[in-house]
Amino acid sequence: DVKVTQSSRYLVKRTGEKVFLECVQDMDHENMFWYRQDPGLGLRLIYFSYDVKMKEKGDIPEGYSVSREKKERFSLILESASTNQTSMYLCASRAGGAYEQYFGPGTRLTVT
Amino acid sequence: GIQVEQSPPDLILQEGANSTLRCNFSDSVNNLQWFHQNPWGQLINLFYIPSGTKQNGRLSATTVATERYSLLYISSSQTTDSGVYFCAVKLDGNSGYALNFGKGTSLLVTP
Repeated sequence: DVKVTQSSRYLVKRTGEKVFLECVQDMDHENMFWYRQDPGLGLRLIYFSYDVKMKEKGDIPEGYSVSREKKERFSLILESASTNQTSMYLCASRAGGAYEQYFGPGTRLTVT
Repeated sequence: GIQVEQSPPDLILQEGANSTLRCNFSDSVNNLQWFHQNPWGQLINLFYIPSGTKQNGRLSATTVATERYSLLYISSSQTTDSGVYFCAVKLDGNSGYALNFGKGTSLLVTP
């Protein structure tokens, strides 16, 4: 079974802090994704990566950056957290050439 | 842009009832998946179904690609079926990698 793990289930940070969200997958997948989920808006793509050190902006990249130094790990960085970044963050991975996408359990981030 | 519309937005069922969830999309797709998000937030793959019909236990799905819709059937619903059901697509002509999600159908199954 594919396993995608995220470093925290719940996180509380203060405005202006730098925040790191970590995602690890154990299936050697090439593609990894970060989404945020907000009530009434569904899932929106922040960034994705199709290979080590490669990244592409999604629909809402403002205020975020990402890092992929190793194939299994994809990090989402909030350089200076703001209250409008309070959300559920979901990581996903997918094998190259495959279609099915697998999700981690999510991190519920609150910025106060 | 890509339009993925799901209906109904909310649904309440009594245990044992059947239901049909719908997903309409605005263009031809080469990837369509149904997910169930449980009350703890975990998204679980239900079906990869860009066309045709599949069944898995009490759940089945049908995609009619030429008419740009997909249906998810839940039969003999159970309280554990509660949660949000998402349809996600990747457009046929889209060279990107990610899925576009609908806003989901929130299902509550009562005892």
